[in-house]
Amino acid sequence: DTGVSQNPRHKITKRGQNVTFRCDPISEHNRLYWYRQTLGQGPEFLTYFQNEAQLEKSRLLSDRFSAERPKGSFSTLEIQRTEQGDSAMYLCASSPGGGIGNTEAFFGQGTRLTVV
Amino acid sequence: GQNIDQPTEMTATEGAIVQINCTYQTSGFNGLFWYQQHAGEAPTFLSYNVLDGLEEKGRFSSFLSRSKGYSYLLLKELQMKDSASYLCAAHTNDYKLSFGAGTTVTVRA
Repeated sequence: DTGVSQNPRHKITKRGQNVTFRCDPISEHNRLYWYRQTLGQGPEFLTYFQNEAQLEKSRLLSDRFSAERPKGSFSTLEIQRTEQGDSAMYLCASSPGGGIGNTEAFFGQGTRLTVV
Repeated sequence: GQNIDQPTEMTATEGAIVQINCTYQTSGFNGLFWYQQHAGEAPTFLSYNVLDGLEEKGRFSSFLSRSKGYSYLLLKELQMKDSASYLCAAHTNDYKLSFGAGTTVTVRA
């Protein structure tokens, strides 16, 4: 297993455009998380999935943001009508789920979004 | 809401010891994670404390006091490669991690 994979690694887009990021979690990991990280800050929770079900969305996730995990495997995060404030590193993480011993979250390398 | 506090920056000399403190106020607390993050890279797991006390793992140790809402990460025999950001994260019973802003540790020769 190669770990959590995110694509693309970098994305530069013009304000107002839509962007979509993909995350491939570690296989057989039930839980998948999206976080956003800006310079000098820790990751901020956006949303997470248990298999294909989206269980929680942060209030940070405006209606321009949508995330899916259609078959309980890979996930996509789409941002519509991007704004300069959306510029950040978008991190995906997965964990096995099912008990305290399976809580460690493994992070992908992230997608760095720059909105110009 | 969740409140996680840790110092912004720390500087230490190669071979020394540094202790990074973290205080937290959360609901539904399960345990406390420490992650290491080098600039431009993903956070990598260091430790997870559920019970009170000290857990040692090589040069890194982590301590938790649930009653005080307090944890620390102890880095011993510092090496230049330990220069990084160290993230404290509370794991809560809704399966989320709430992160602090991170402590940037700079190791000087």
